Amino acid sequence: DTAVSQTPKYLVTQMGNDKSIKCEQNLGHDTMYWYKQDSKKFLKIMFSYNNKELIINETVPNRFSPKSPDKAHLNLHINSLELGDSAVYFCASSQDSGMEETQYFGPGTRLLVL
Amino acid sequence: QKEVEQDPGPLSVPEGAIVSLNCTYSNSAFQYFMWYRQYSRKGPELLMYTYSSGNKEDGRFTAQVDKSSKYISLFIRDSQPSDSATYLCAFYTGRRALTFGSGTRLQVQP
Repeated sequence: DTAVSQTPKYLVTQMGNDKSIKCEQNLGHDTMYWYKQDSKKFLKIMFSYNNKELIINETVPNRFSPKSPDKAHLNLHINSLELGDSAVYFCASSQDSGMEETQYFGPGTRLLVL
Repeated sequence: QKEVEQDPGPLSVPEGAIVSLNCTYSNSAFQYFMWYRQYSRKGPELLMYTYSSGNKEDGRFTAQVDKSSKYISLFIRDSQPSDSATYLCAFYTGRRALTFGSGTRLQVQP
């Protein structure tokens, strides 16, 4: 059974379009995250949600909006896509232990903006 | 100065070699020190974590932390072709997010 799943795995779209990426975790975790991995493999936090509440919102354009309908899901909606948005987006989750954070990552969504 | 520095490689070694992977960091607030392994076209997976200076061993893997020098290492003994992946150091500050290094790509040649 997949612990953290993302759909779609690949997304090719035109500049200016709006797209969404979905994430689901079946681990019963309280905290979910979105990370962006650029072409140089640099993995950077974008958002963090704890029990449907936004905890971290790093310096990310307003075009990116996370939505958490329940604590098992965290979706990422991107408006007016730009060429620079091309990257791999990873969803992750962790248990809210307040201490060490063992984060479990999904397989990633490869976004290519043309 | 970047918060985390990690040599991107690629690092190519013969099967059976001892591999040494390293990261330096500048943020004194980092509390936990981790190594993630990422296979091609997959998500990162936690390999090892530690929170104190010293060594921690798990099978063929040893994680080493030197907080005074702000330096962490991962050693892989008897490296196998299946170890070929990108290794990411990661740090936790208690803000419910990880700060990652840029990753070192490792190739173990059979």
